[in-house]
Amino acid sequence: QTVLTQEPSLTVSPGGTVTLTCASSSGAVTTVDYPSWFQQKPGQTPRALIYSTTEKHSWTPARFSGSLLGGKAALTLSGVQPEDEAEYYCLLHSGGGWVFGGGTKVNVL
Amino acid sequence: QVQLVQSGAEIKNPGASVKVSCKASGYSFATFYMHWVRRAPGQEFEWLGVINPTGGSRNYAQKFQGRLTMSTDTSTSTVYMALTSLRSDDTAVYYCARGGPSKSMDVWGQGTTVSVSS
Repeated sequence: QTVLTQEPSLTVSPGGTVTLTCASSSGAVTTVDYPSWFQQKPGQTPRALIYSTTEKHSWTPARFSGSLLGGKAALTLSGVQPEDEAEYYCLLHSGGGWVFGGGTKVNVL
Repeated sequence: QVQLVQSGAEIKNPGASVKVSCKASGYSFATFYMHWVRRAPGQEFEWLGVINPTGGSRNYAQKFQGRLTMSTDTSTSTVYMALTSLRSDDTAVYYCARGGPSKSMDVWGQGTTVSVSS
């Protein structure tokens, strides 16, 4: 069973840039894992942000971008806004099913 | 707009069964697969399975084989998730999530809390 590891928490100043990563216990994350990212705020429904490594949904703000970085999936927030404070999760298609990361809490201070 | 509306909270005894519904609107129901995901208190999100809304195929996580059944009603654009032989560690918020482009989950339901306790 693949385990995905994310940073537990990161802090960024408003207007700054932060990169979150998602590492797989099965080895390097690649595009065929179809990494995606979603955001969840307390009491709210998860909101998808990125799919297929780099693609944005129609509602995804331009400041969010996805990539592969050193064998990991990565989500970069550029020009961070106070409303970006949330938990962020990666999701991979792996072994015929889907696996979630444990989430990264992004604090905007 | 695309919306997934789930049924209300459930409280069940150990050993009982639960059936949660997810009603889709705002898009062509037959075109998108539907996933079920859960999150237990203090735990990570966990994928349960996925169903083709026309009912042709299902893929369940191995952990839930034998206890999980997904079904659909195309006349009402509703997907159902039934879990049997409930245990306390099945206590969780259960979500339906539409299968989006490139194996993503692009729209999520609001979640249904299932509590299993004697």
